[in-house]
Amino acid sequence: GEDVEQSLFLSVREGDSSVINCTYTDSSSTYLYWYKQEPGAGLQLLTYIFSNMDMKQDQRLTVLLNKKDKHLSLRIADTQTGDSAIYFCAELSEAGNMLTFGGGTRLMVKP
Amino acid sequence: DSGVTQTPKHLITATGQRVTLRCSPRSGDLSVYWYQQSLDQGLQFLIQYYNGEERAKGNILERFSAQQFPDLHSELNLSSLELGDSALYFCASSVDTMNTYEQYFGPGTRLTVT
Repeated sequence: GEDVEQSLFLSVREGDSSVINCTYTDSSSTYLYWYKQEPGAGLQLLTYIFSNMDMKQDQRLTVLLNKKDKHLSLRIADTQTGDSAIYFCAELSEAGNMLTFGGGTRLMVKP
Repeated sequence: DSGVTQTPKHLITATGQRVTLRCSPRSGDLSVYWYQQSLDQGLQFLIQYYNGEERAKGNILERFSAQQFPDLHSELNLSSLELGDSALYFCASSVDTMNTYEQYFGPGTRLTVT
């Protein structure tokens, strides 16, 4: 079955880069996503990558996909205190409907 | 603001009761998805509706049901509530075309069962 794993916690200093990692098991996933959840808020779609791509850059965000190892990462450049949140990776089912989420990585940015 | 709205924001009810959660998708989106976020199970897909018809089912209990109306808003009905049903319930929507699979989430409804 599908399973998405993330580390629980990451702490960085303001201005540094953050790298949040994720592994998934469903090799038939077509799209992989990163969502951000701030306290008391919903899930904000940050970025996503199609499975035939290796990298996608969007301003301060860089997504790397290693399909062979089923490894996805999100790099946030010049991390700010406003980036403190929980980050979820997710994979889209082959049927193109349901998202399977990881458990979330709590990013804490210290000033 | 994603454009997806959910009501109510908070709901407190007792065990054994029934509640209805409401979702309005983004303008133009035909698909609605329901997800449950709980401390022990994380974020789980419950069910998807596309243009009024059920399209996919996930880990949805038999006590739960959903529907999508002609105006595309959706309702999630939870009955015979148990303490373990306390969670954040999210609705998401997407255009659901061939080339886009972006799901945009609403702010959620926090359900507390006492």
